[in-house]
Amino acid sequence: GENVEQHPSTLSVQEGDSAVIKCTYSDSASNYFPWYKQELGKRPQLIIDIRSNVGEKKDQRIAVTLNKTAKHFSLHITETQPEDSAVYFCAASPNGQNFVFGPGTRLSVLP
Amino acid sequence: DAGITQSPRHKVTETGTPVTLRCHQTENHRYMYWYRQDPGHGLRLIHYSYGVKDTDKGEVSDGYSVSRSKTEDFLLTLESATSSQTSVYFCASRGTDYSYEQYFGPGTRLTVT
Repeated sequence: GENVEQHPSTLSVQEGDSAVIKCTYSDSASNYFPWYKQELGKRPQLIIDIRSNVGEKKDQRIAVTLNKTAKHFSLHITETQPEDSAVYFCAASPNGQNFVFGPGTRLSVLP
Repeated sequence: DAGITQSPRHKVTETGTPVTLRCHQTENHRYMYWYRQDPGHGLRLIHYSYGVKDTDKGEVSDGYSVSRSKTEDFLLTLESATSSQTSVYFCASRGTDYSYEQYFGPGTRLTVT
């Protein structure tokens, strides 16, 4: 079955700097890669996603890149702000049926 | 939040007792999911449903069963709760075959003593 690894497990950056979180997956059948943000005590919320027919997608300060050959995808947050502090999860899915999540990255943005 | 709710929000139960968690959505979404969230493991899929009475197992389905008799409700049952099932349980739903975005419920914190 699918296995998703995520690094780093914790990340601290200064406000205004960039943050990068990387995930690798094992199943070449996976074709959908979402990123979720979860604030303390809250539900996960989708922040950006990418499908396997696209190499990069941007939404304001957030971008995701996908390398299908190497089976890895990354989340890039630019100009980080204190409200970006949260746990971020990546996931992989074949056709949106079942989903396998990474273990999460705790991002702290220091003022 | 896509009109998805969970009940109860908190529950404490004893080992060996049956427990049922309910997920209710008002979006007429076809797909529904149950996950458990534990420190260091992210979200792990327990079971999912792709229509009324159509369900399938996820990666951690042992000790859990599900039922979906109506589009809006997806029930998760622990037949005989164990301490290893202490966790936060999230349900999620998504609408169509083409939109893969999942909307999560607020979660249920279950403690098995």
